[in-house]
Amino acid sequence: QKEVEQNSGPLSVPEGAIASLNCTYSDRGSQSFFWYRQYSGKSPELIMFIYSNGDKEDGRFTAQLNKASQYVSLLIRDSQPSDSATYLCAVNGANYGQNFVFGPGTRLSVLP
Amino acid sequence: GAGVSQSPRYKVAKRGQDVALRCDPISGHVSLFWYQQALGQGPEFLTYFQNEAQLDKSGLPSDRFFAERPEGSVSTLKIQRTQQEDSAVYLCASSSHTGELFFGEGSRLTVL
Repeated sequence: QKEVEQNSGPLSVPEGAIASLNCTYSDRGSQSFFWYRQYSGKSPELIMFIYSNGDKEDGRFTAQLNKASQYVSLLIRDSQPSDSATYLCAVNGANYGQNFVFGPGTRLSVLP
Repeated sequence: GAGVSQSPRYKVAKRGQDVALRCDPISGHVSLFWYQQALGQGPEFLTYFQNEAQLDKSGLPSDRFFAERPEGSVSTLKIQRTQQEDSAVYLCASSSHTGELFFGEGSRLTVL
């Protein structure tokens, strides 16, 4: 079992819809959770981070964390074609030292 | 500098050649990470520096891989006797106290 898992996709949603991206992790000691966006041929860029159970909203993006279920998600409201990219979930915690463990990423395609 | 700078952006090497990849992190960032990203995969951790100290090199795939950061700023990832399986994008990231990773554009290595 990989430490951080994501559906590889592609996930296709129509423009204006809500895109839901999911991530599960295996280490219960994980403390910090990050969502990165990576356009094709580009480097990852941070969208959001979340440390506490519950929801965290930033503009059109909402991160949701459930530590009991070892599950973190990213919701993108009013999806735009410019949101089409690969979304990487990353986890950091005591058992990883300073390391950030990345999932394989989910490719999102927003159709105009 | 304004961001993390990596060079070269593209490198083609013949099998058996040695290569050196350079990373210039954001000024003042203490932490520096190297990741390897294969096509369609998430970044895989290679090694981590705090200032000049290499605190974790558990992700280096073999003793052909070597990284250094002698003055706590610029870092070099060296790969000796390159093999085809070394072909990947090598990402460097630096981090401030907030924990956010700032990535460079990566160095794409192709081993023929």
